[in-house]
This record gives sequence, structure tokens and C-alpha cells, in this order.
Amino acid sequence: AQTVTQSQPEMSVQEAETVTLSCTYDTSESDYYLFWYKQPPSRQMILVIRQEAYKQQNATENRFSVNFQKAAKSFSLKISDSQLGDAAMYFCAYTTPSNQFYFGTGTSLTVIP
Amino acid sequence: EAQVTQNPRYLITVTGKKLTVTCSQNMNHEYMSWYRQDPGLGLRQIYYSMNVEVTDKGDVPEGYKVSRKEKRNFPLILESPSPNQTSLYFCASSLSSVNYEQYFGPGTRLTVT
Repeated sequence: AQTVTQSQPEMSVQEAETVTLSCTYDTSESDYYLFWYKQPPSRQMILVIRQEAYKQQNATENRFSVNFQKAAKSFSLKISDSQLGDAAMYFCAYTTPSNQFYFGTGTSLTVIP
Repeated sequence: EAQVTQNPRYLITVTGKKLTVTCSQNMNHEYMSWYRQDPGLGLRQIYYSMNVEVTDKGDVPEGYKVSRKEKRNFPLILESPSPNQTSLYFCASSLSSVNYEQYFGPGTRLTVT
């Protein structure tokens, strides 16, 4: 079974500081994609960042970057210079070659002014 | 405006009364999917569709039906709803497979009493 584990149900960060959200996944596939989605209080799901498993280079999107460790099956999200608008639930997700999609249980991020 | 729409946004119904939640996208996307979100469980995939007349089960398909007769529409059908189907439901679409960014609808809050 494919699983995605987010071991931190809640995290907090001081505004302008850096925070890292953890994610591990379990798969026997070699070709797959990983994502981080953000869900603010509006409930809208928003893509934060995407990583192809065959690429060794870690993806970055402005203040958001990932640390992708394929052998360890780890995919953490780093948010730099945290802003109040970053407060949200963050979901790690994984896709299979058969186009199924698996989410983790989420990490609720609080940004402290 | 490119978007995924869902209707209704809120629904309260009784056990056993058949209901349909509609989903429509205007981006000519091939891939569409339904998810349910429950506290502590994240989002779980119910069904997905790679194209017209092609649908596949996700992780939690029991009690649900879908159809894809047109590219833009992907309705979710609960033929005999039960209280354990009380949840927040999201429809999503992406260009050609789940490896691309998924665009999510605003969500449908369903309560079955």
C-alpha cells in the first residue's frame, strides 16, 4: 500500500523565520511525483511545489524549497522568511504511475507575528 | 476564468436519499478526480478519470459512483448515502495526468443524518 506520513500535526514559526515541514512516503515505484499543497482557512487547495522523482535537483519556488531524499523516501518542505499568509494546512502528496494520488494527513502551520 | 466548479457547496440530507454532486471544469483537462477530506485523515481519493468514459477506483470508492460522459463534467453520485459519508468533498482536474498540477474546486460540505 502506498502511504504518505506527516509526523507533525502542528507547527509554528515566527514571522520572517524559517520552518521545515516533514514528509515521508512508502513506495516500491521508481518513477513518481511528489507535491506539497497548501490549504488556507478558505479551504481552497493550492499547489506549492512539485518534484519529479527522477530529478536529483531539489525543486524551489521563491521562498519555498524541498529537500528530496529518494533513498530515504523523504520529502520535506522549507519555508523561508515566513509570512502571515503562509498560515495554513500543508499536505504532502504522492502520485503513482497508475495515476492514483495519495495525501498525507497534513501539518497545520501557525505564523506568529 | 479557468476554474473547477462544484455544486452544491453545502448539502444536508438524510440516510438513503440519492444525491449527485456536480463537477465541471473549463480548462479542457483530461484528468479529473474526486477526494474526500476528513479531520485527521487528510484527503483520500475516491475515483478518478483519465478521459471520457474512462474511470478508475481510488483509495475509498465504496458507496460512490461516478461517470464521465463529457470531458468537462465528472459528477459524483451517492446512491444510498450513509452518515459515514459526511465529509468535505473536492473535485479536481489536471492537464493529462495526475503528475501535473491539479486544480481544485471550492469543495462541497455534505452532511448525512
